[in-house]
Amino acid sequence: RKEVEQDPGPFNVPEGATVAFNCTYSNSASQSFFWYRQDCRKEPKLLMSVYSSGNEDGRFTAQLNRASQYISLLIRDSKLSDSATYLCVVTPEGYNKLIFGAGTRLAVHP
Amino acid sequence: DGGITQSPKYLFRKEGQNVTLSCEQNLNHDAMYWYRQDPGQGLRLIYYSQIVNDFQKGDIAEGYSVSREKKESFPLTVTSAQKNPTAFYLCATSDSSGNTIYFGEGSWLTVV
Repeated sequence: RKEVEQDPGPFNVPEGATVAFNCTYSNSASQSFFWYRQDCRKEPKLLMSVYSSGNEDGRFTAQLNRASQYISLLIRDSKLSDSATYLCVVTPEGYNKLIFGAGTRLAVHP
Repeated sequence: DGGITQSPKYLFRKEGQNVTLSCEQNLNHDAMYWYRQDPGQGLRLIYYSQIVNDFQKGDIAEGYSVSREKKESFPLTVTSAQKNPTAFYLCATSDSSGNTIYFGEGSWLTVV
């Protein structure tokens, strides 16, 4: 089983739609969680950290479910500019390296 | 202009040749990393360095080598021992917390 698993997509949604991605992780002792965004042929950039209580940044909401070992990203009112690959990132306990999922591709169309 | 500079952005090499990818940062970060990304796959860690003159192997270090003689620089050499070197290579740094990682723009290596 991979340490971090994501549905590769693509998720094709119309503008204005709400879309949600899930990501599961295998190490129950993982302590830090992030979502990164990667545009085609570009470097990944931090979108948001994921806190235990859940957190929101504008149209983006991230949640963590430790019991089921998954994190989620919800995007409301999708824009064309949201089209990208979203990478789930986990830091296992006592491990100072980041483990990246393979990414979920989102395509927002007019 | 602050940040991480990788060069070259595009590199073509013949099989059997060693190539070195440059990574320079002016963020004053102690930790530096090299990742490899293949199409449809996540980033895989090649090497990382937490401090000058020290570095550790990541998950796919075979066929690669690094050095960390200066805080600002962490070059990666792709040797002829690397079986399938064609990929997108990303250099990154992290601050003292180690939780937020910043990437350079990447280098595309194609072996022909």
